[in-house]
Amino acid sequence: KQEVTQIPAALSVPEGENLVLNCSFTDSAIYNLQWFRQDPGKGLTSLLLIQSSQREQTSGRLNASLDKSSGRSTLYIAASQPGDSATYLCAVRRPPSGSRLTFGEGTQLTVNP
Amino acid sequence: SAVISQKPSRDICQRGTSLTIQCQVDSQVTMMFWYRQQPGQSLTLIATANQGSEATYESGFVIDKFPISRPNLTFSTLTVSNMSPEDSSIYLCSVVQGAEERYTFGSGTRLTVV
Repeated sequence: KQEVTQIPAALSVPEGENLVLNCSFTDSAIYNLQWFRQDPGKGLTSLLLIQSSQREQTSGRLNASLDKSSGRSTLYIAASQPGDSATYLCAVRRPPSGSRLTFGEGTQLTVNP
Repeated sequence: SAVISQKPSRDICQRGTSLTIQCQVDSQVTMMFWYRQQPGQSLTLIATANQGSEATYESGFVIDKFPISRPNLTFSTLTVSNMSPEDSSIYLCSVVQGAEERYTFGSGTRLTVV
């Protein structure tokens, strides 16, 4: 059974810092991995999607890496801003196509002005 | 990616009543998914809804409690029946699309049962 762990559970940083959020998974036979952002009481916004054959994806100040063999992914946020404050969730999908996502517990990020 | 409209965004309900949540997608999708997020926890899949067939429920979730409809390729409903305070959660619908199979989520329904 796939298990997904995110460390740290919570993180508080001053504005402008670069930071790294970690995600680990127990079964390396994944189809892809997706990072989401969730604001309090709201739905999920997709940030980055990494296919199992890829090593990283970038979007603006965000960079996600994937090391399938070690069962790890990191989300790097450059020059953090108060608007980045949210919960960040990683989710993995195993083959075959259409199978469900397994979510981590999330990292609650607070960026202080 | 798909745009999903989910309604209602929030509701406060009396125990013993039922609430139906709607999800409308702006494009046709084969599978729609319903998730529950209990307070302070991550997401748990309730069921997968395919058009024209019965929904497939995950362990711990039953059709009598969470009936689902999927009348066409752009719409689905989830009903939370005979509610108790333990049903207080955020409920989210989701679809997967495209060659890269990216998941998109609705804005969520925040349910409080009193």
